[in-house]
Amino acid sequence: KAGVTQTPRYLIKTRGQQVTLSCSPISGHRSVSWYQQTPGQGLQFLFEYFSETQRNKGNFPGRFSGRQFSNSRSEMNVSTLELGDSALYLCASSLDPPYYEQYFGPGTRLTVT
Amino acid sequence: AQSVTQLGSHVSVSEGALVLLRCNYSSSVPPYLFWYVQYPNQGLQLLLKYTSAATLVKGINGFEAEFKKSETSFHLTKPSAHMSDAAEYFCAVSVPTSGTYKYIFGTGTRLKVLA
Repeated sequence: KAGVTQTPRYLIKTRGQQVTLSCSPISGHRSVSWYQQTPGQGLQFLFEYFSETQRNKGNFPGRFSGRQFSNSRSEMNVSTLELGDSALYLCASSLDPPYYEQYFGPGTRLTVT
Repeated sequence: AQSVTQLGSHVSVSEGALVLLRCNYSSSVPPYLFWYVQYPNQGLQLLLKYTSAATLVKGINGFEAEFKKSETSFHLTKPSAHMSDAAEYFCAVSVPTSGTYKYIFGTGTRLKVLA
């Protein structure tokens, strides 16, 4: 069974631009979560989607948004990029929580200059 | 509020020595607990999980963890460290919130294995 895939793997953007990251979950997984990972803040939860609905949201500004499609694929968008948005963005999919583990993709490394 | 605390952001052990990575959780209900490992430039990979079936949980690569309710702990151990164990380790808990569940991750412990 194919794992979680994320595209692109690396991205360089300029301040003020916007970016869209994509995540394809493991087949059959309807829950998709997004995390931001930075050396200073660790792993921060952005949001979780389940059956095309946002079910949980972390403490990030409205510039961060996401959506999930009917095939469970998910995208996250960051508008008006700031230098502090430079991070590794990880996507994870799972069967419905609580006791099912999350499967992580390799991440998208975003650099904002 | 539910939380996860990992004691020690960096841990160094000699090759062949015992690995002990500490995790304490705070939860008002019985939690579901997980340990993940992250190698450089990769996503997180599940090592093991506790879902109330047994307090001692065995995972991949020789790791195991023991759930101790009285101490609210879920420490990760491995009897003999290998160089390949050098990575960052995250403890996580799945807790109820707003009618569903969410995962809370600890801040991670970077394990260094000395030759």
